[in-house]
Amino acid sequence: DTGVSQNPRHKITKRGQNVTFRCDPISEHNRLYWYRQTLGQGPEFLTYFQNEAQLEKSRLLSDRFSAERPKGSFSTLEIQRTEQGDSAMYLCASSPDWREAFTEAFFGQGTRLTVV
Amino acid sequence: SQKIEQNSEALNIQEGKTATLTCNYTNYSPAYLQWYRQDPGRGPVFLLLIRENEKEKRKERLKVTFDTTLKQSLFHITASQPADSATYLCAPMNSGYSTLTFGKGTMLLVSP
Repeated sequence: DTGVSQNPRHKITKRGQNVTFRCDPISEHNRLYWYRQTLGQGPEFLTYFQNEAQLEKSRLLSDRFSAERPKGSFSTLEIQRTEQGDSAMYLCASSPDWREAFTEAFFGQGTRLTVV
Repeated sequence: SQKIEQNSEALNIQEGKTATLTCNYTNYSPAYLQWYRQDPGRGPVFLLLIRENEKEKRKERLKVTFDTTLKQSLFHITASQPADSATYLCAPMNSGYSTLTFGKGTMLLVSP
């Protein structure tokens, strides 16, 4: 297994356009997280999946943001009608179920979004 | 509201010295606390996890302490090297809580 994979690595889009990012977690991990990170800040939690169920969403996740994880495998994060304030690094992480045994989260390399 | 505070200014030290980074938290009752390293343009990478019943944890040149009374964790890198230059993130985690929430991180710069 090559770890958590995110695509694309970079995305430049015009304001008002929709964008979609993909995350492929480590195959045996049933938890998947999305974070947003801007310069000088730590990763900010957006949402989290346990298998295909979206169990928690941050207040940061406005109506323009939607995430899915069909069949509990890969996940997509879509941003509709992008705004310049959406420019950030979007990080995906996966982990085993922490109710069973606590281990670390594994992060992907992130998708850098620039809205012009 | 829950808050995680890390040194906001970069920490500059000389190679060979010990770096000490601080993580203070409020309105958490963490069962665990994790430390991650992040290099520019990359995702965070896990370093160490310490449990609430552990006072200290070591891994090679790294040492983490956890004081639940002071609501503080200290992260030490001994014999620091320029390759240790990165941003270090702490993440306290309440027992059974599913979200991993990070502080803003402290940038460490180790000069030769």
